[in-house]
Amino acid sequence: DAGVIQSPRHEVTEMGQEVTLRCKPISGHDYLFWYRQTMMRGLELLIYFNNNVPIDDSGMPEDRFSAKMPNASFSTLKIQPSEPRDSAVYFCASSLLEKGEQFFGPGTRLTVL
Amino acid sequence: DQQVKQNSPSLSVQEGRISILNCDYTNSMFDYFLWYKKYPAEGPTFLISISSIKDKNEDGRFTVFLNKSAKHLSLHIVPSQPGDSAVYFCAAVGGGSNYKLTFGKGTLLTVNP
Repeated sequence: DAGVIQSPRHEVTEMGQEVTLRCKPISGHDYLFWYRQTMMRGLELLIYFNNNVPIDDSGMPEDRFSAKMPNASFSTLKIQPSEPRDSAVYFCASSLLEKGEQFFGPGTRLTVL
Repeated sequence: DQQVKQNSPSLSVQEGRISILNCDYTNSMFDYFLWYKKYPAEGPTFLISISSIKDKNEDGRFTVFLNKSAKHLSLHIVPSQPGDSAVYFCAAVGGGSNYKLTFGKGTLLTVNP
C-alpha cells in the first residue's frame, strides 16, 4: 500500500489566491482527517470525515476554509482567499473503523506571501 | 486550553542511555493514548499506544507508562539510538469521540552518538 498521498508537497502562493490541497487516503479506511501544524499551536485537527461525510468541522478556523470528500478515495482542503497567517504544514490522515491509530500523509507545506 | 501537554520542548540523551518523554493531560474522559514519532519533512508515524485500563505497554525498546490518578504518561526508550532522534507527539482519544486525536506540541529528542 502506498500510504496516504498528499499533493502538492509544497505550495507557495500570494495573499488572496485560492489554494487547494489534495489527499488520497489508504484504501479501505473509513475516516479521514485534516490537520494543520504551526509553531504556535502545534498539530491541530481541522475537520474529519466518516464515510465521506463531515463529522466535526469545529477546528476549521474560519469561512475561508472548506473541505470536501466527494468519494472514498479523495478529499480536498480549500482556502479562499489565502492569507499569510495560513502558512503552515497541512497533514491528511486516515484510519480504520474502531481504530485509534491514524496514518498520516507526508504533509503539504503552504507558504502564503 | 491545552488538554494534552508536553512540557519539555526538547531532550538530549547519549546513545545507549534511556530516554524518558513525558506527557500530561487534563481531560479525565480520555481513555486511549498514543505516541507518534515525526521526522523532518514527513508525517507523524504511530509508535505505541495504551488503553486506560492498563498502566504499561511494551513494544521492543519502547514502553509507555500510564498513571491515571496523576493524569500522566511517559514514553521510555531503552536503549536510545541515534535513529530515534525525532519529534515525539503524545496524543489522546476519548470523551465521546473515539477518532478525534488531541495532540501535545511535541518533544524534540536528540540522541547523541
